[in-house]
Amino acid sequence: SQTIHQWPATLVQPVGSPLSLECTVEGTSNPNLYWYRQAAGRGLQLLFYSVGIGQISSEVPQNLSASRPQDRQFILSSKKLLLSDSGFYLCAWSHLIGNTIYFGEGSWLTVV
Amino acid sequence: SQELEQSPQSLIVQEGKNLTINCTSSKTLYGLYWYKQKYGEGLIFLMMLQKGGEEKSHEKITAKLDEKKQQSSLHITASQPSHAGIYLCGADTNAGKSTFGDGTTLTVKP
Repeated sequence: SQTIHQWPATLVQPVGSPLSLECTVEGTSNPNLYWYRQAAGRGLQLLFYSVGIGQISSEVPQNLSASRPQDRQFILSSKKLLLSDSGFYLCAWSHLIGNTIYFGEGSWLTVV
Repeated sequence: SQELEQSPQSLIVQEGKNLTINCTSSKTLYGLYWYKQKYGEGLIFLMMLQKGGEEKSHEKITAKLDEKKQQSSLHITASQPSHAGIYLCGADTNAGKSTFGDGTTLTVKP
């Protein structure tokens, strides 16, 4: 069966420091991968999605970037965090376009 | 762009009572998903509806997609404290993207 893991689960970082959130999927190949941010009471905001290695699409201009160095690995990064980057970040995957999306456990980021 | 509107935004019910959460789309839905989330945790997939008039059940949770495929409802029968959480609907758009409602926070009072 397929599983998805993301880490770290919680992170407290000072303003201006770098960020790296990692996500891996197991049990499938060539998944679509996604990074979402969830704000309280505001649903999910798609940040990045990837349909293959090295293929990243950005949905929202921001201080973040994403990379897919391997088929089942998706990384969310920032060179310099802002206070506004604080939030709950969710990695997700799906088999194909239009298929069910499955989510990781989420990562709480607090920028101080 | 496709927007999903969920109602109510929050719901408090007494244990044992039935409840319904609605998800309305501005456009025809080609795939509608329901998820449950405990605060601060990942989303758990409940079910997916694709055909107009389709209805699916998972334990005491039933979801329906209307014939016009623009509205879905999630119905919980005889609610329990374990049903508490945030329920989100999501839908397919194009090019591998999905859109989500803002969620409905359900509190079940014992």
